[in-house]
Amino acid sequence: EVQLVESGGDLVKPGGSLKLSCAASGFTFSSYGMSWVRQTPDKRLEWVATISSGGSYTYYPDSVKGRFTISRDNAKNTLYLQMSSLKSEDTAMYYCARRGGNSRGYFDYWGQGTTLTVSS
Amino acid sequence: DIQMTQSPSSLSASLGGKVTITCKASQDINKYIAWYQHKPGKGPRLLIHYTSTLQPGIPSRFSGSGSGRDYSFSISNLEPEDIATYYCLQYDNLYTFGGGTKLEIK
Repeated sequence: EVQLVESGGDLVKPGGSLKLSCAASGFTFSSYGMSWVRQTPDKRLEWVATISSGGSYTYYPDSVKGRFTISRDNAKNTLYLQMSSLKSEDTAMYYCARRGGNSRGYFDYWGQGTTLTVSS
Repeated sequence: DIQMTQSPSSLSASLGGKVTITCKASQDINKYIAWYQHKPGKGPRLLIHYTSTLQPGIPSRFSGSGSGRDYSFSISNLEPEDIATYYCLQYDNLYTFGGGTKLEIK
């Protein structure tokens, strides 16, 4: 059974930093691209970052580019999201998701999320 | 960036009935659309990808169709466990979600 368990969410002041983790099990982690997706308080879903299976390629939307860094440790079956220069609009539930499909991948399995609140 | 306009934002239907949700893309997305079910306290659940391909284990009450910029998702024979918020996702060019549709049972 595919399992993704996020951790690391917290209350952080604007301008601060935080690192999220996602522990994966039930599949060959090193064979799949992985992503982070967030749900804002108004319930919108927003893609945040994607990393290739080997970690060589990363992709971000403009809203987080230069502030967020996605990485992975395939030996530990763990995905990470390093966030810096945090803003109030980064407040959200953060989900890690496995990338299914082939050349164009969708998110086929999701974790239950971890909450980030950015507030002074 | 591709925009996805999902409608309606909410709807109410009777048990045993049928509902349809639509998503309109700002450009042709070549059928690369997925549909998700999201319940509170859980991660979203993939129901359909590539417009109409059901994920294993998803009942045939769920269906999808469309092409070009216009796509739809339907649930027939509504059951109580279908109460959730549903989202579309385009994955033709990076990723964009629709705004969501909250489904309630009358």
